[in-house]
Amino acid sequence: DTGVSQDPRHKITKRGQNVTFRCDPISEHNRLYWYRQTLGQGPEFLTYFQNEAQLEKSRLLSDRFSAERPKGSFSTLEIQRTEQGDSAMYLCASNPAVEADEQYFGPGTRLTVT
Amino acid sequence: SQQGEEDPQALSIQEGENATMNCSYKTSINNLQWYRQNSGRGLVHLILIRSNEREKHSGRLRVTLDTSKKSSSLLITASRAADTASYFCATDAFIIQGAQKLVFGQGTRLTINP
Repeated sequence: DTGVSQDPRHKITKRGQNVTFRCDPISEHNRLYWYRQTLGQGPEFLTYFQNEAQLEKSRLLSDRFSAERPKGSFSTLEIQRTEQGDSAMYLCASNPAVEADEQYFGPGTRLTVT
Repeated sequence: SQQGEEDPQALSIQEGENATMNCSYKTSINNLQWYRQNSGRGLVHLILIRSNEREKHSGRLRVTLDTSKKSSSLLITASRAADTASYFCATDAFIIQGAQKLVFGQGTRLTINP
């Protein structure tokens, strides 16, 4: 399968714990995006990577959130000291740098903070 | 923040009928895209229409765009049970170096009754 993959698909954690999610984009795509989607809403942009460089961060990305893409391939999104308001679906998407309008989404990681 | 609104928020029709969903947005755009999301899953790209296009077709899908009214509509003809999903419109917003983030509406939840 050459689509975008995300791991884990579901994560339940207690408030105050740290969690890390992984995204593997389509291999030839050098642009990678993270979005967050709460129940009943559309996805909202969190951050953008071109290769290994994080070039844009939303103000939604508080200082408890950090994202990396160390070798320009997979990316991780870490949330420290989770809060109940962090409960959401975290979606990763990728596309190539050339003629890139459509974004290819992964299946998402559903986070529940109890 | 959401770019605009989708109407209706929920739509329930009989199999075989046509489904029409509307999307309004606030700022000028280069293109507008429609995505489908099955419950608890990632988003799947359906169709893209550029700002200089007024109508576009893809299989059973027909999209219109009226930039003067900042609105778009998605028509699904001859609906099937498998079309049951949430449908989102997304507009582009420039980030940096040619990359664009997607700004989504709140979505329309479509239910096709057999």
